[in-house]
Amino acid sequence: GAVVSQHPSWVICKSGTSVKIECRSLDFQATTMFWYRQFPKQSLMLMATSNEGSKATYEQGVEKDKFLINHASLTLSTLTVTSAHPEDSSFYICSAIALSGVSNQPQHFGDGTRLSIL
Amino acid sequence: GENVEQHPSTLSVQEGDSAVIKCTYSDSASNYFPWYKQELGKGPQLIIDIRSNVGEKKDQRIAVTLNKTAKHFSLHITETQPEDSAVYFCAAVYGGSQGNLIFGKGTKLSVKP
Repeated sequence: GAVVSQHPSWVICKSGTSVKIECRSLDFQATTMFWYRQFPKQSLMLMATSNEGSKATYEQGVEKDKFLINHASLTLSTLTVTSAHPEDSSFYICSAIALSGVSNQPQHFGDGTRLSIL
Repeated sequence: GENVEQHPSTLSVQEGDSAVIKCTYSDSASNYFPWYKQELGKGPQLIIDIRSNVGEKKDQRIAVTLNKTAKHFSLHITETQPEDSAVYFCAAVYGGSQGNLIFGKGTKLSVKP
């Protein structure tokens, strides 16, 4: 149980294009989804938190107009990197927390999307 | 702000030996501490977690201990196997909010056959 699917797993595109990454909870409904960025040999850095039907909360230093997040349903969140440039190249990972009345539920992670901007 | 320190950054053990990874946290309000294993090119996988109302939790070869007074928590892997080789991250919930985690910097564990 608690499977999170992320698509695509790898994207290579030209500078200036926009890239959309999907995150789906396959066997549970997610109250909250998170988007992280991870550079090589580094830890996960939280970019934003999204709740279904409301605007995402971005961490300090993350441009909301650059990284558009949509959480349209309890099983799907998308991250769109707009006008991507080489410095946006990174490993993007989503996670989801199951809808539950119990506090402190674990985050379940997708397998990440490696984004390479040429 | 909240901070999680993790040590060591790299750890090499012989197959069959034990491995211990230690973390400290700064927010005394933190009450949930998960551990994740990340293999190359994949997302983190939850391997064990502990809540502040217990001091120790065990799942087969993996155990986690928590000392709330000292704000320390540790991961113990016994009888290590080559497939345990990966990067391990500790994390702590912060800000009193449900779910927001801050991660340690990770420990690269290598188990030599």
